[in-house]
Amino acid sequence: SAVISQKPSRDICQRGTSLTIQCQVDSQVTMMFWYRQQPGQSLTLIATANQGSEATYESGFVIDKFPISRPNLTFSTLTVSNMSPEDSSIYLCSVGVYGSSSYNEQFFGPGTRLTVL
Amino acid sequence: ELKVEQNPLFLSMQEGKNYTIYCNYSTTSDRLYWYRQDPGKSLESLFVLLSNGAVKQEGRLMASLDTKARLSTLHITAAVHDLSATYFCAGRSGSRLTFGEGTQLTVNP
Repeated sequence: SAVISQKPSRDICQRGTSLTIQCQVDSQVTMMFWYRQQPGQSLTLIATANQGSEATYESGFVIDKFPISRPNLTFSTLTVSNMSPEDSSIYLCSVGVYGSSSYNEQFFGPGTRLTVL
Repeated sequence: ELKVEQNPLFLSMQEGKNYTIYCNYSTTSDRLYWYRQDPGKSLESLFVLLSNGAVKQEGRLMASLDTKARLSTLHITAAVHDLSATYFCAGRSGSRLTFGEGTQLTVNP
């Protein structure tokens, strides 16, 4: 398994500002992902954070709004830029871990609960 | 594009009863995941199912996978209040997970 921490755990922000969320893993992992969970809804993948290259964004998410850094194999950041109330969500960092029999488990961090006023 | 549907979305059951949550997916998925989420918490990994016919059990929960029918089930046996949570299934395409809508389970005394 992997132990994942995120900072901050929650924040309340004003419209038009930006927030950077940090994700730290206790071991080196190849695959890191950022998800969004809007209130009362399921999880949606924002992007895959690739070490040493630009993140791969899913349809509906763009780099200007959600810039991502992945400076090494244990750390990533997600910035939510120019926030609006519609950005109020839980943002979760996730990592893929190869276990036995070469299958791939995916674990989630505790999440960052963002409220935009 | 992989799509994942769960049903029911809401489930209220009595303690001691059995029930099944269904997870259908639209195209080939090389893994099927089940997660549990308690209110205000992150996701806890329950099961990863790899192949057709796979069955995994942990306590009162048992998950199975039928890749031909593109169906996974999460069976709850003799439910207890502690199982109250939201359960998500997710399929995998490439390295990306696609989640179902979630099933909010409430177990009543």
